[in-house]
Amino acid sequence: GAVVSQHPSRVICKSGTSVKIECRSLDFQATTMFWYRQFPKQSLMLMATSNEGSKATYEQGVEKDKFLINHASLTLSTLTVTSAHPEDSSFYICRVDEQFFGPGTRLTVL
Amino acid sequence: QKEVEQNSGPLSVPEGAIASLNCTYSDRGSQSFFWYRQYSGKSPELIMSIYSNGDKEDGRFTAQLNKASQYVSLLIRDSQPSDSATYLCAVKGSGYSTLTFGKGTMLLVSP
Repeated sequence: GAVVSQHPSRVICKSGTSVKIECRSLDFQATTMFWYRQFPKQSLMLMATSNEGSKATYEQGVEKDKFLINHASLTLSTLTVTSAHPEDSSFYICRVDEQFFGPGTRLTVL
Repeated sequence: QKEVEQNSGPLSVPEGAIASLNCTYSDRGSQSFFWYRQYSGKSPELIMSIYSNGDKEDGRFTAQLNKASQYVSLLIRDSQPSDSATYLCAVKGSGYSTLTFGKGTMLLVSP
């Protein structure tokens, strides 16, 4: 069965709204989770490293105020895309440990 | 800057053939090496990991590692159309370090 879940799997929203994506580690505790973004036919891009109990570490060029990450527990990390715009439309994927990617969340901003 | 290089492809092979996917990396201190498969529209899934020089076999898949040449490869024997996907190579250094991904090689297996 799935070790990492993401919710929602697909979301369509209007420009200007905020969208929260959840990543849950189902089988084990994770002090660190990773968030990626992938545009169509492009490679994975690491956005940030989510750290339980402390601030996330963002990659260069990723706006921390736009992509809010909260790692509230050892099994849950959330990514909130604030004031989403069409250019934020992408496939967002979380990763726990080397082995386990979440199934991804496809965001479409109209 | 740690780099992982892969040929973007597509690599086209006929059904039943051996597909050979290659990856080079820049960080000589890298310790762990992974191959992921990503179908279109899906997230990556781990298919092989390798940590020491030599070959590691798992079913139709064989990972090969040569740390001196900073080279890791994935062989897929008896390729099937269902193997058509993008294959991502990923490398991790020692201790706590992030996983660095290559851009992936697209494999197309024709019936």
